[in-house]
Amino acid sequence: SAVISQKPSRDICQRGTSLTIQCQVDSQVTMMFWYRQQPGQSLTLIATANQGSEATYESGFVIDKFPISRPNLTFSTLTVSNMSPEDSSIYLCSVEEGGARGEQYFGPGTRLTVT
Amino acid sequence: EDKVVQSPLSLVVHEGDTVTLNCSYEVTNFRSLLWYKQEKKAPTFLFMLTSSGIEKKSGRLSSILDKKELFSILNITATQTGDSAVYLCAVRYNAGNMLTFGGGTRLMVKP
Repeated sequence: SAVISQKPSRDICQRGTSLTIQCQVDSQVTMMFWYRQQPGQSLTLIATANQGSEATYESGFVIDKFPISRPNLTFSTLTVSNMSPEDSSIYLCSVEEGGARGEQYFGPGTRLTVT
Repeated sequence: EDKVVQSPLSLVVHEGDTVTLNCSYEVTNFRSLLWYKQEKKAPTFLFMLTSSGIEKKSGRLSSILDKKELFSILNITATQTGDSAVYLCAVRYNAGNMLTFGGGTRLMVKP
């Protein structure tokens, strides 16, 4: 399976600031996703990061708050903008292998705490 | 409303016990069901199931899907303390590639 890395692994940020999370994959993948896991909750998809086009956002998530870049087939970034304590979560990127029904693997995650 | 439900919410067993975790789903145009183990931050992929009745097995873990009754089970035999984790079930449906996750089952294995 693809090896996925994320930076930073954790951060503590002040409200009103922004943080950019990087996701790097060791092979080219078509599908990359960004998920959020709030404390005590399950994973929720934020958006699908499409190479060469704008990300596709799920209901409840908007580009102004969570801008995403996907400059190539091995890299993506998620920015959490104008942060508030409610943004404190684990943010995970994932990639899909094996085509449309492929297995999906997750990066190590970024634990964000907003004070 | 599409949904994925896992049960039980939590479970405490002793080493050597066998556990069965459940995942039921109500989605349109089901495509696949995936199981993950989450110990700290990153969910670790366990199985992907697409066909009914075909058991997938890896060591002490096994899983099966019933597309008629819309559920899957994850079995862990001879549990060990290292099996303590949250187990997540996720379903892929319709034309997209996104996963919809259940709430997870928190398993604690005591020595």
